[in-house]
Amino acid sequence: AQTVTQSQPEMSVQEAETVTLSCTYDTSESDYYLFWYKQPPSRQMILVIRQEAYKQQNATENRFSVNFQKAAKSFSLKISDSQLGDAAMYFCAYRSAEGAQKLVFGQGTRLTINP
Amino acid sequence: DVKVTQSSRYLVKRTGEKVFLECVQDMDHENMFWYRQDPGLGLRLIYFSYDVKMKEKGDIPEGYSVSREKKERFSLILESASTNQTSMYLCASSLYLGAYGYTFGSGTRLTVV
Repeated sequence: AQTVTQSQPEMSVQEAETVTLSCTYDTSESDYYLFWYKQPPSRQMILVIRQEAYKQQNATENRFSVNFQKAAKSFSLKISDSQLGDAAMYFCAYRSAEGAQKLVFGQGTRLTINP
Repeated sequence: DVKVTQSSRYLVKRTGEKVFLECVQDMDHENMFWYRQDPGLGLRLIYFSYDVKMKEKGDIPEGYSVSREKKERFSLILESASTNQTSMYLCASSLYLGAYGYTFGSGTRLTVV
């Protein structure tokens, strides 16, 4: 079974600085998808960014980018120019490209932005 | 705007009660999921459904059941609520195929007293 691990329960960063959230996963599959979700205090889970395992190029979405290391099974999220609105729980998630296609989540990282 | 709607944002129930958590999506998605979210544990899958009247157990199905009589609606049932089922419950839906993640509801925080 696949597992996802986020080893940083909490992180904090100064406004306008850059922060990197870590995620590692374990799988024997070669084709899969990886996601970062954001959950602000409103509780609504929001998709931040996704990566397809067969793509070498790291995904980027505005201030958010990932460092995808397939051999190392690592998928970190970098947030540049941090803003107060980035404060939230961040979850890393894995989805197989086949089968039931359920999402497997990490434990989450709570990100605090200091003004 | 596409939506997954959970019927209650907060719910307080007594031990032993039968509890229904309702979820409705308007995106014609095949897959629907129920997760519970607990601090330090992330989101854990309770049940999922990939078609009407179909259901599959997730990682923590004990004490729960589900019903999917219509494509747009997926209900989570706590047959006899217990205090260890106090948690945040999140419903989600997705297309059957494709590289996309889920669309989530805004969660139901259930307290069993």
